[in-house]
Amino acid sequence: NAGVMQNPRHLVRRRGQEARLRCSPMKGHSHVYWYRQLPEEGLKFMVYLQKENIIDESGMPKERFSAEFPKEGPSILRIQQVVRGDSAAYFCASSLGPGQNQPQHFGDGTRLSIL
Amino acid sequence: QKEVEQNSGPLSVPEGAIASLNCTYSDRGSQSFFWYRQYSGKSPELIMFIYSNGDKEDGRFTAQLNKASQYVSLLIRDSQPSDSATYLCAVRKTSYDKVIFGPGTSLSVIP
Repeated sequence: NAGVMQNPRHLVRRRGQEARLRCSPMKGHSHVYWYRQLPEEGLKFMVYLQKENIIDESGMPKERFSAEFPKEGPSILRIQQVVRGDSAAYFCASSLGPGQNQPQHFGDGTRLSIL
Repeated sequence: QKEVEQNSGPLSVPEGAIASLNCTYSDRGSQSFFWYRQYSGKSPELIMFIYSNGDKEDGRFTAQLNKASQYVSLLIRDSQPSDSATYLCAVRKTSYDKVIFGPGTSLSVIP
């Protein structure tokens, strides 16, 4: 499967625990984007990363949330001390580059549920 | 004013008709425009992208862009029940900018 791979597909955590969401971009893609989607709502941008760099994190809460895209391995979205309001679908997308005609391709998402 | 606006719908059209989905954006400097389709519980799927004024056609889909009016639309010809989904309009200002999504328009194609 050459598409964007996200895991796990479903993640259940209790309040106060940590959630780690992983995203492997499409082969050859070096740009990764994370979005959050609440039920019946649109996609909200969180963070845009390139290998080893954060390009734009303006959509990510300042506390408890962090993201990385190391030189080797998948991109990780980390949520510390989760709360009920963190329950959502988290989508990762990747693109070949920053070019004008380089669209983003999405993974199947991780559904995070907080008990 | 929201950055990207769409009518939430639902928009209902009979099978075989043309479905017209509209999107407006606030940043006049926006350069790239995308349409995604999202089925309930699934991930967004890219349908088309456009960055020049005018029309761009791909099969039954036509994207139309009017930068002067800050308006982009998607036409679906010969609508099928399988086209029933939420359609997301997305806008990017420059190559290194984030993509901003609209709230989506729910389309229902009635057999």
